[in-house]
Amino acid sequence: DAGITQSPRHKVTETGTPVTLRCHQTENHRYMYWYRQDPGHGLRLIHYSYGVKDTDKGEVSDGYSVSRSKTEDFLLTLESATSSQTSVYFCATGGDGRRTDTQYFGPGTRLTVL
Amino acid sequence: GQQVMQIPQYQHVQEGEDFTTYCNSSTTLSNIQWYKQRPGGHPVFLIQLVKSGEVKKQKRLTFQFGEAKKNSSLHITATQTTDVGTYFCHGGNYGGSQGNLIFGKGTKLSVKP
Repeated sequence: DAGITQSPRHKVTETGTPVTLRCHQTENHRYMYWYRQDPGHGLRLIHYSYGVKDTDKGEVSDGYSVSRSKTEDFLLTLESATSSQTSVYFCATGGDGRRTDTQYFGPGTRLTVL
Repeated sequence: GQQVMQIPQYQHVQEGEDFTTYCNSSTTLSNIQWYKQRPGGHPVFLIQLVKSGEVKKQKRLTFQFGEAKKNSSLHITATQTTDVGTYFCHGGNYGGSQGNLIFGKGTKLSVKP
């Protein structure tokens, strides 16, 4: 597996609090992605990045923001967490080509919003 | 927008039986990737298909890409308990500046020993 780590691995928070999840890669991949995974919905793309400070929205971006100040780090922020954002969040990285390249996934972060 | 439908959603088999999952796109794909996610784990890349009609094999797994590049299948021969997990297809389209891609919702395979 590619060198991708996510932190924290588990988090419990309360509604209305801000939450930041971190993804760190050691592969120097150009593309980085944030997905959420919920039963019955599979993997849904939240945001992705195609370079430092270059990001774009995915299919479920409302309520989430991202930042990428370094190639190796991609942050996902929930400005004011809601119970509907309880999910497992996966970070993924890709190669230097297009978004259609192979993706390598991190171990995931399980977030619970009470 | 582009959609990728994957069927069936669930499949329960007896160990030794074959298993097939199908992925169908509403638009022509540039490539398709297959991933496997073990229970409690993260998706892991299995293979990528690019050419029309392409067939690739990995031991007991056979992957096919349709002639029209709008559908794909993953077939497992003689399933084993180690095959348990969810199999996702991931359709790619080279259109646009960054390309586009979308995951199917996955087929969850359970194998009874």
